[in-house]
Amino acid sequence: SYELTQPPSVSVSPGQTARITCSGDALPKQYAYWYQQKPGQAPVLVIYKDSERPSGIPERFSGSSSGTTVTLTISGVQAEDEADYYCQSADSSGTYLHVVFGGGTKLTVL
Amino acid sequence: QVQLQESGPGLVKPSETLSLTCTVSGGSISSYYWSWIRQPPGKGLEWIGYIYYSGSTNYNPSLKSRVTISVDTSKNQFSLKLSSVTAADTAVYYCARGVRGVIPYYYYYMDVWGKGTTVTVSS
Repeated sequence: SYELTQPPSVSVSPGQTARITCSGDALPKQYAYWYQQKPGQAPVLVIYKDSERPSGIPERFSGSSSGTTVTLTISGVQAEDEADYYCQSADSSGTYLHVVFGGGTKLTVL
Repeated sequence: QVQLQESGPGLVKPSETLSLTCTVSGGSISSYYWSWIRQPPGKGLEWIGYIYYSGSTNYNPSLKSRVTISVDTSKNQFSLKLSSVTAADTAVYYCARGVRGVIPYYYYYMDVWGKGTTVTVSS
């Protein structure tokens, strides 16, 4: 089955830039999406179609794609950005389209 | 703006069927896809499946034999049934609105989520 691989944790100091990667063989042929999840809360979509930002999401959140790796970049990290981040894509290799999540990355703001 | 609210029993006995409903408010259930996702305690997200408002469905292959998702457009609701549950099905269950497209390739993502409901499987 198709898998997306994320680092378990990333740490960064306030004001610095955080980069969270997500790797998957089908990513050159599929969009990636990023969700932010704070403790006890539902996930929130922060990036869609690799690099698009939904309305209401701060400009410091950006996404990029290169080959089999996509990256969520948070510029000028703030304490409120501490959360779990999940990448998501789709496996369309079979008859149906199946949704796949990465294992999640815990972002710690030092 | 559209809001989603999950409802259903918080405790289900092993071997029984888990049943949840998601009520959509602030918008119509028509013309969108609707998903169920779950998250076991301390673990990551797992997609369960989705349904189009017309009734067509698509399930996670690992759960397909036990899952049924249905929609009631007259009530602006969609539902999840998961049969033969075990302790491994204990999780927070989320419903979400889905966006699906085909250009330049098939894609699917969830743009609006409910707050989630905790379901515990225990006797």
